[in-house]
Amino acid sequence: DAGVIQSPRHEVTEMGQEVTLRCKPISGHDYLFWYRQTMMRGLELLIYFNNNVPIDDSGMPEDRFSAKMPNASFSTLKIQPSEPRDSAVYFCASSFRTGDNEQFFGPGTRLTVL
Amino acid sequence: DAKTTQPPSMDCAEGRAANLPCNHSTISGNEYVYWYRQIHSQGPQYIIHGLKNNETNEMASLIITEDRKSSTLILPHATLRDTAVYYCIVRVYNTDKLIFGTGTRLQVFP
Repeated sequence: DAGVIQSPRHEVTEMGQEVTLRCKPISGHDYLFWYRQTMMRGLELLIYFNNNVPIDDSGMPEDRFSAKMPNASFSTLKIQPSEPRDSAVYFCASSFRTGDNEQFFGPGTRLTVL
Repeated sequence: DAKTTQPPSMDCAEGRAANLPCNHSTISGNEYVYWYRQIHSQGPQYIIHGLKNNETNEMASLIITEDRKSSTLILPHATLRDTAVYYCIVRVYNTDKLIFGTGTRLQVFP
């Protein structure tokens, strides 16, 4: 298996632009997680899905952020409009069944908002 | 907020055992302890987890105290490739949420 796939790996955009980050979880995994990592705040859970349904989005910073999972093999995290403080590395992770199982992380997308 | 406390950094000589401590004094009886590590610029990688008993796998051993208020991750023979940030995490009960703290930066030197 190729593992969790994220695209793009790097994104540079200007303030006010829409940004879409993409994630393909490991086949057969039921859970998908979106995290954000910054120097100031560390690694934060933004939202997670179970069987394509959002379970907990309490970590989503504000309405500018939205996440979808239209099917079991694809998820997006969208920021509209983007701001410089959104600059971070965004990780997607997936896991099989419920929480007693390990989460497999993707390589991350490094987002820079100018 | 993270429910764990870890030293910010540690050093270890290559080939020696690395013992990484973690305090989780407010852990509940049915909350698991997880360990992940993050090698520079990569996504975190699962190492091991446990509830009450000590656990061992091909990567490491996890020792949990009897009162469950602390644990130690042991890398038996550290290599340079083990240089990373190690996170001790208590999984929130009845959820699938892992709340990462600040971790311990382990530097393995030759």
